[in-house]
Amino acid sequence: DAGVTQSPTHLIKTRGQQVTLRCSPKSGHDTVSWYQQALGQGPQFIFQYYEEEERQRGNFPDRFSGHQFPNYSSELNVNALLLGDSALYLCASSLLGAGNQPQHFGDGTRLSIL
Amino acid sequence: AQKITQTQPGMFVQEKEAVTLDCTYDTSDPSYGLFWYKQPSSGEMIFLIYQGSYDQQNATEGRYSLNFQKARKSANLVISASQLGDSAMYFCAMRENNAGNMLTFGGGTRLMVKP
Repeated sequence: DAGVTQSPTHLIKTRGQQVTLRCSPKSGHDTVSWYQQALGQGPQFIFQYYEEEERQRGNFPDRFSGHQFPNYSSELNVNALLLGDSALYLCASSLLGAGNQPQHFGDGTRLSIL
Repeated sequence: AQKITQTQPGMFVQEKEAVTLDCTYDTSDPSYGLFWYKQPSSGEMIFLIYQGSYDQQNATEGRYSLNFQKARKSANLVISASQLGDSAMYFCAMRENNAGNMLTFGGGTRLMVKP
């Protein structure tokens, strides 16, 4: 039973560029959430997708956008990259409505902005 | 105000001893859940234990137990019989029913187990 998979593992970009990160949820899950984890801090919620729609959004600018596909996989896009976007980006999947069930996380994509 | 506060940036524990990691939370939602995750240096977040706001008993999962004191809004993680592999970052997180399915995380505690 495959867990949450993310790609790529590492990525190096320069300021002003655009990046796309990918996530495949755990089998049986229909909801994907994205989190940003800066060095030495806890993860911060970016947004959540369900039924191919952005269902909920945290306090992030609209440079951060996403997409969910019919097979429940998801992409996170970041435009006009800033140095402060350097972080570990974590994808988590869950089943909508199963409130006491944990979100399952992938290993993350480590994004470095030069 | 911070929704999740973890006051211990780093802690040491001797192998085979028990350790308590502190977590306090702030919410006005009567329905919420509290989660603890472990994050090794590899980066993945590993779910450890869950406590619902209406659960009458403290949650336990193997060597992990949660000391839930609702009136004090604390949900401390207790790890018994520490192992070297327990060395990692530990995060407390909360899901509020009125806030959908998003998790709010604390700043984490780095646990180091000494042989």
